[in-house]
Amino acid sequence: ETGVTQTPRHLVMGMTNKKSLKCEQHLGHNAMYWYKQSAKKPLELMFVYSLEERVENNSVPSRFSPECPNSSHLFLHLHTLQPEDSALYLCASSPRTGVGYTFGSGTRLTVV
Amino acid sequence: AQSVTQLDSHVSVSEGTPVLLRCNYSSSYSPSLFWYVQHPNKGLQLLLKYTSAATLVKGINGFEAEFKKSETSFHLTKPSAHMSDAAEYFCVVNPNTGNQFYFGTGTSLTVIP
Repeated sequence: ETGVTQTPRHLVMGMTNKKSLKCEQHLGHNAMYWYKQSAKKPLELMFVYSLEERVENNSVPSRFSPECPNSSHLFLHLHTLQPEDSALYLCASSPRTGVGYTFGSGTRLTVV
Repeated sequence: AQSVTQLDSHVSVSEGTPVLLRCNYSSSYSPSLFWYVQHPNKGLQLLLKYTSAATLVKGINGFEAEFKKSETSFHLTKPSAHMSDAAEYFCVVNPNTGNQFYFGTGTSLTVIP
């Protein structure tokens, strides 16, 4: 375990479902991130939170909605997804933004 | 503009032989460079990082990488491959201007017994 825990590990959902991905870290880090890894594409940064405040949103569709209730937890709420949203979603944390990350194991999402 | 190119999508080596995973980058600034490894069903793990100190960087598990500014390269090497090295490897650049890290598309390493 890296210190960043993501649940669930695997998720299959229909296009009309609503689900949430959870990320938790107890490393004392102040920044948390959501990344999307699609097959054979570069890892894409989705959202950055610093001290529970969203500081970056890289043109992500509104069907993805992040939430950071405290510095240890990060959620990604999903609704009305498309099949092309199927990917590995990775959470990461860092002591502060711009410093090396610790990654979670990811949630493999399949949209059917 | 920032970008990272991993020149090989797949590399296959025999156990005990050297490993070379190639990475070229472009950055308008003095970047920090990283190599991450991802084993199946596990998160990304930092192997090593270059942050403007020594150009030859030693990492975990016997890996090292050399920052060559003139060639804009940061190739990852290991003298002798082990079966446990089979994984996906990502080269990453941080231009040190903000939060964005730029990832390559990854190189899948296969180690043949």
